[in-house]
Amino acid sequence: GQNIDQPTEMTATEGAIVQINCTYQTSGFNGLFWYQQHAGEAPTFLSYNVLDGLEEKGRFSSFLSRSKGYSYLLLKELQMKDSASYLCAVRDPGSGYSTLTFGKGTMLLVSP
Amino acid sequence: DTEVTQTPKHLVMGMTNKKSLKCEQHMGHRAMYWYKQKAKKPPELMFVYSYEKLSINESVPSRFSPECPNSSLLNLHLHALQPEDSALYLCASSQGAGSSYEQYFGPGTRLTVT
Repeated sequence: GQNIDQPTEMTATEGAIVQINCTYQTSGFNGLFWYQQHAGEAPTFLSYNVLDGLEEKGRFSSFLSRSKGYSYLLLKELQMKDSASYLCAVRDPGSGYSTLTFGKGTMLLVSP
Repeated sequence: DTEVTQTPKHLVMGMTNKKSLKCEQHMGHRAMYWYKQKAKKPPELMFVYSYEKLSINESVPSRFSPECPNSSLLNLHLHALQPEDSALYLCASSQGAGSSYEQYFGPGTRLTVT
């Protein structure tokens, strides 16, 4: 089975930097995804980590440590439109298919 | 074109109705998925299709019946649903069903069962 933990809510100020953590305990691991979901909309892909280290993509970066079962999503130069839920999802290799188990999501509120 | 489309956007149905949700992608993806998402909860996987064959059924009740008529289309047939089935139903697709493929989500169908 999979257990994925993320903080429920975070607040930050426009222009600031915020780090959203995700820890996981899984029977197997084959990659970790971060998705952004605005209220009432579909999740959109942000990043994918399968090896340890930092992946940078514009204002967003994601880090993975497989030995610690830990990832974080770093958002820089926050904008109001970054207010959304951020979902950490772990790939389950057991089935051989691309199944994802999602954490409960972290609701980020960016204020002026 | 990196779009997954879903119709209808909203659906209200009674417990005795039969309805279908539709999903379409034209990215040449060979894996398609149905997820169910309740309010303030993460998406939960329901079904996985790989190369038009049902690969995974996550113990979903038989009142939900998936169908993949071709590689671009995925349907979810609904019959005799319960009010607790009200949720956002998300379709997703990926290039393949292997380990390195990201999933692209459609906008979802907001289903209300009365």
